Amino acid sequence: GENVEQHPSTLSVQEGDSAVIKCTYSDSASNYFPWYKQELGKRPQLIIDIRSNVGEKKDQRIAVTLNKTAKHFSLHITETQPEDSAVYFCASWGYQKVTFGTGTKLQVIP
Amino acid sequence: DVKVTQSSRYLVKRTGEKVFLECVQDMDHENMFWYRQDPGLGLRLIYFSYDVKMKEKGDIPEGYSVSREKKERFSLILESASTNQTSMYLCASSPGSGRETQYFGPGTRLLVL
Repeated sequence: GENVEQHPSTLSVQEGDSAVIKCTYSDSASNYFPWYKQELGKRPQLIIDIRSNVGEKKDQRIAVTLNKTAKHFSLHITETQPEDSAVYFCASWGYQKVTFGTGTKLQVIP
Repeated sequence: DVKVTQSSRYLVKRTGEKVFLECVQDMDHENMFWYRQDPGLGLRLIYFSYDVKMKEKGDIPEGYSVSREKKERFSLILESASTNQTSMYLCASSPGSGRETQYFGPGTRLLVL
């Protein structure tokens, strides 16, 4: 089955700096890659996603890049703010099935 | 707004008890999912369903079963609860038909003593 590895598991950045989280997947048939943000005590919520026919997608301070050849995709957060502190999960959709990464705890230090 | 609700936020059960966790979504979504969330392990898929009365095993189905008698409701059953099933359980739904964005419920924190 699909295997998704997510790194790093924890990340601390100064407010205003950028943060990058990377995921690798194993199934070359995977075609949809969402990112979820989970604040403490709350449910995961989608923040951005990308399909396999696109290399990059941006939404204000958040961007996702996909390298199909290398089978990895990354979340980029620029100008980080304290409210960006949360756990971030990547996911990979193959045929009728989704696999999540193990999560990255991002701490933005004011 | 999509609403996904779960029957309980917290549950305490004894080893060997049969446990029912219920999930309801109000957006006529085709797909529903059950995950467990443990520190350092992320979200692991237990079971999912793409249609009424249909179910598929996820990555960790052992010790669990599911039921989907109605489109809006997806139940997770622990036939005989064990201490290693103590966890946070999250339900999710997605529209289906190529639209995969998942909407999560608030979670049920289950403690098995």
